[in-house]
Amino acid sequence: EPEVTQTPSHQVTQMGQEVILHCVPISNHLYFYWYRQILGQKVEFLVSFYNNEISEKSEIFDDQFSVERPDGSNFTLKIRSTKLEDSAMYFCASAGGNSPLHFGNGTRLTVT
Amino acid sequence: AQKITQTQPGMFVQEKEAVTLDCTYDTSDQSYGLFWYKQPSSGEMIFLIYQGSYDEQNATEGRYSLNFQKARKSANLVISASQLGDSAMYFCAMRDEETSYDKVIFGPGTSLSVIP
Repeated sequence: EPEVTQTPSHQVTQMGQEVILHCVPISNHLYFYWYRQILGQKVEFLVSFYNNEISEKSEIFDDQFSVERPDGSNFTLKIRSTKLEDSAMYFCASAGGNSPLHFGNGTRLTVT
Repeated sequence: AQKITQTQPGMFVQEKEAVTLDCTYDTSDQSYGLFWYKQPSSGEMIFLIYQGSYDEQNATEGRYSLNFQKARKSANLVISASQLGDSAMYFCAMRDEETSYDKVIFGPGTSLSVIP
C-alpha cells in the first residue's frame, strides 16, 4: 500500500536556525498538509496545499513558515528561524479527491 | 467556524468489551466529513473510519463503527470486542466540504486503555 514518507525522523536544531522538513506524499494525491503535535497533545493544522499554492493556513503558520513543492514528488515545510516553542512532532499528510488524510510517521523537531 | 469536542480525556475498557468514544462537532456547513484516527504510543496516525454528512447509514469498518447523530452533531466511535492493541489515543476530525474543504481539524483526543 502506498504511504507518505517523511524525513528525517528526528531533527535537532539550534534556536534561530533554519530547518526544512521533507515529505513525499502518495503519488496520485492532490492535497497536501502539514500538522504539528506538541508532546502527544492536540494535532494542530498548519497549512494545506493544492494546485501548487496554499489553500488554507492557520494562525500558527506565520511568516516564519513556508511550504514548497519543488518537484513532482516532494513537499517541504521550512521554518526560517526556529524558536524553542517550535519543538514538536510535525506530520505531513496527503489526500486524494474525497479520501481521508494519509499521514506520514512524522518528524520530531527539537529546538535547543 | 469548525469545532471538535472530545469530552473524555481518558477511558478504560476491559478486554473483549465494547467502548464508545464521544465526539461532538460544530459547523455551519451542510456538507462535511467526519473522521476517526488512532495514534498508538509509537506515534503514527492511523485512519480508522469516515462518515459523510449525507451518508444515510452509519459507517462501519470491521470492529469500528460510527454512531452518527446529525441532529445532535455527534459522531461517536464504537469499538467492539476491545483488544490490548486498541490502547492508544483516538482523535475525531472534521472537514467542512463547503467553506474550507482543504482544512481538516482535530479534536483534543481521548486516551483509551484496554485492561486485560
